[in-house]
Amino acid sequence: DQQVKQNSPSLSVQEGRISILNCDYTNSMFDYFLWYKKYPAEGPTFLISISSIKDKNEDGRFTVFLNKSAKHLSLHIVPSQPGDSAVYFCAASIAGTASKLTFGTGTRLQVTL
Amino acid sequence: EPEVTQTPSHQVTQMGQEVILRCVPISNHLYFYWYRQILGQKVEFLVSFYNNEISEKSEIFDDQFSVERPDGSNFTLKIRSTKLEDSAMYFCASSDGPGYNSPLHFGNGTRLTVT
Repeated sequence: DQQVKQNSPSLSVQEGRISILNCDYTNSMFDYFLWYKKYPAEGPTFLISISSIKDKNEDGRFTVFLNKSAKHLSLHIVPSQPGDSAVYFCAASIAGTASKLTFGTGTRLQVTL
Repeated sequence: EPEVTQTPSHQVTQMGQEVILRCVPISNHLYFYWYRQILGQKVEFLVSFYNNEISEKSEIFDDQFSVERPDGSNFTLKIRSTKLEDSAMYFCASSDGPGYNSPLHFGNGTRLTVT
C-alpha cells in the first residue's frame, strides 16, 4: 500500500536555511493533508494541515503547499532550527473519514549548525 | 498543554497471551483512536471510537482486537491472543471532533514485544 509516499528517507539542512520536505499521493479521493513531526520515543505531533480547496497554508515558520494536479504536497520550514531535527510524516485522509489517516514512511530531517 | 498518556511504555508478552494497552485521552476529547507502527514501516490506522462504539476499523483490526472505554477517562486496546507479528509500537490518539479542524493528538506509544 503506497498511497502516500515520501521518497526521501533523510534530509540534511544547515541552520537558518530552508527545509523542503516532499510527499506524493496516488489516491485522488484524498482531500485533507497533514504533516506530523516525531521525536524519538515520542508520538507524532501535529504541525500543519491543508484541505484540498486550498493550495497553501502557513503557520509561522511552516508552510504547506498542495499541488492537486500533480498529487504532490510539500512542507517548507524557514528558517530551519536545530530543534526541527526529527522525523516528518505526511498523512492524508478522505472526506467522511477525516480521522482515518494514511501515513507516509517519513523523512528524517537533520538541521546542522 | 494537555497530553495523551499511554501505559506501559514497553510491554513484553509471550505469544498466545492476552495483552491490554492503556491510554488516557485528553479530557475534553470525544474521539479516540489506535494506530500502530511496526518497526521500519508506516504508522497504520487500526480503529476509531466515538460514543462507546467503533466508528471505523481497518482490516488489521480483526477479531483478536477489541477496544473499550471502561470509565470516563481510560481507553484500552486488548489483543486476545498475541502473535509475533503483533510486535509494534501502538499509539493512542484523541481529538475533539471528527473533522478537518480537529487534528489527532498522539500519545508517546507502547512498544509491544511478542516473544
